[in-house]
Amino acid sequence: QKEVEQNSGPLSVPEGAIASLNCTYSDRGSQSFFWYRQYSGKSPELIMFIYSNGDKEDGRFTAQLNKASQYVSLLIRDSQPSDSATYLCAVNTPGGSGTYKYIFGTGTRLKVLA
Amino acid sequence: KAGVTQTPRYLIKTRGQQVTLSCSPISGHRSVSWYQQTPGQGLQFLFEYFSETQRNKGNFPGRFSGRQFSNSRSEMNVSTLELGDSALYLCASSTGLAGGSAQFFGPGTRLTVL
Repeated sequence: QKEVEQNSGPLSVPEGAIASLNCTYSDRGSQSFFWYRQYSGKSPELIMFIYSNGDKEDGRFTAQLNKASQYVSLLIRDSQPSDSATYLCAVNTPGGSGTYKYIFGTGTRLKVLA
Repeated sequence: KAGVTQTPRYLIKTRGQQVTLSCSPISGHRSVSWYQQTPGQGLQFLFEYFSETQRNKGNFPGRFSGRQFSNSRSEMNVSTLELGDSALYLCASSTGLAGGSAQFFGPGTRLTVL
């Protein structure tokens, strides 16, 4: 089982719709969760992060965390063609000896259709 | 603040050669992490440096090494290059250790090994 799993997609949604991106993780000791957006040929850029169970909103983006189910999601409201990119989920996972390291999922490719 | 910078942006080497990549973190950031990104494997963690000390290491062979200087700038070195080392190498910086802080990525160095 991969440590962080995402559906590779592509996930296609019409412009103006809500895009829902999901991520599951295997280590219950994970404490913080990050969403990055990566355009083709570019480096990842941080969208938002979440530490506590529940929802966290930032503009059109909402991150949802459920630690009991080991599940984190990203909702994009009013999707725009410019949101078309690969979305990477990153989880801070215990690395042993009290250290933590980022583990990335392989990403979900989102296509917003005009 | 200026973002994370990486040099060079592109590099072409042949098998058996060695290469050194450089990363300058965001001012005030003391942690630098390195990642390898390939289409098949996604983002793979190489190592993290904080206060000139390697704090965490991924599952890469000893040919991959790094260091961090007192001004937080970091270099990574790959010796005896193999074809499979062709990838985008990304550097990310954070204020504290990656375990508790959001990471911000540089533009990457694209390495091609012929």
